[in-house]
Amino acid sequence: DGGITQSPKYLFRKEGQNVTLSCEQNLNHDAMYWYRQDPGQGLRLIYYSQIVNDFQKGDIAEGYSVSREKKESFPLTVTSAQKNPTAFYLCASSIGTGKYEQYFGPGTRLTVT
Amino acid sequence: SQKIEQNSEALNIQEGKTATLTCNYTNYSPAYLQWYRQDPGRGPVFLLLIRENEKEKRKERLKVTFDTTLKQSLFHITASQPADSATYLCALDVSGGYNKLIFGAGTRLAVHP
Repeated sequence: DGGITQSPKYLFRKEGQNVTLSCEQNLNHDAMYWYRQDPGQGLRLIYYSQIVNDFQKGDIAEGYSVSREKKESFPLTVTSAQKNPTAFYLCASSIGTGKYEQYFGPGTRLTVT
Repeated sequence: SQKIEQNSEALNIQEGKTATLTCNYTNYSPAYLQWYRQDPGRGPVFLLLIRENEKEKRKERLKVTFDTTLKQSLFHITASQPADSATYLCALDVSGGYNKLIFGAGTRLAVHP
């Protein structure tokens, strides 16, 4: 079965702790993305990677970090510097960075208290 | 400022009718525009992509139009069914074709039997 997996589906953390969200794809896609979704708002781009070992900041990168050491994996770390980390996080991938659709994972709902 | 607007109010229609959703944008010149469907608590699913030089695109019961002069896209679902009930997101490429997308907040569609 080809697709994108994100784990876990629900994640709870205490304020001040870093947390890493997993994203894996077996679609052989070059490009991967991380978005954040808050109620009543559109998806906002956090980071994206066009190829292995390369990534760029999106519109709301502050308080987040990523790595892209393998083509199939693009983990996102939510650091304690992120002021409002509670949100629904979505990972996506696409064949490349041209006019291609993005395939989304099922999402991780992070709650920080 | 740059904005993407989708109707924030839910669209309620009767089964069998045509649903029309609107996506308006300002101060962007997107190379293409995409439409996605999102069910509650799940990741978006790609539906259609339309390029700036295309006026209309169809796929089964779906039709998208793209008017770069009006800065508007319309998304139509003909012969709507209760299973079409979901939130529909429009997304613009704002990177000149490099697949960096900006998403609207979405319009919730409810199709009643």
